[in-house]
Amino acid sequence: AAGVIQSPRHLIKEKRETATLKCYPIPRHDTVYWYQQGPGQDPQFLISFYEKMQSDKGSIPDRFSAQQFSDYHSELNMSSLELGDSALYFCASSPSTDLQETQYFGPGTRLLVL
Amino acid sequence: AQRVTQPEKLLSVFKGAPVELKCNYSYSGSPELFWYVQYSRQRLQLLLRHISRESIKGFTADLNKGETSFHLKKPFAQEEDSAMYYCALSANTGNQFYFGTGTSLTVIP
Repeated sequence: AAGVIQSPRHLIKEKRETATLKCYPIPRHDTVYWYQQGPGQDPQFLISFYEKMQSDKGSIPDRFSAQQFSDYHSELNMSSLELGDSALYFCASSPSTDLQETQYFGPGTRLLVL
Repeated sequence: AQRVTQPEKLLSVFKGAPVELKCNYSYSGSPELFWYVQYSRQRLQLLLRHISRESIKGFTADLNKGETSFHLKKPFAQEEDSAMYYCALSANTGNQFYFGTGTSLTVIP
């Protein structure tokens, strides 16, 4: 069965650069969540989208923005990167028709800021 | 390979009954294990982690390396415990993180 796809899997950037992370949800999943997990830390919720609209917002810095497109894939845009942005970024998707709202997690994108 | 397995997708118990949500993992090193909870239409929240050995909202989980399990337990289920529960494993000092597929717990009044 198809799973959540995240691209790229690894990314190395320098300070003040920009990065774009992509998330492709499972087919027919209309809700996408983004999480950030720093080294040795727990995942922190960043933002979520439902039907291309922002549905919830967590601890996402102002330097970051995200959107969901018509094909339901989502992109997390990160600007003016800082060393502290080095983390594992998870995407999860779920179908709004699932009463349990199960989240299916992608493998993550490892971002390293030098 | 599936790193974290939650064999039960749905679990229903009566209020006041004990509850156990099963989690088995596959990892040869020393992983960190976590339980996360998602209440209806809310974000994922950390419930507990094995290294802290604490009890949150009456839930406990013990890491059993022999059985490679990290089952979540609560002696008396409450209605507000109804939620989706995810077991997760962190490996290689956080470089790799794996979630289970989740168990939906329903506590019947």
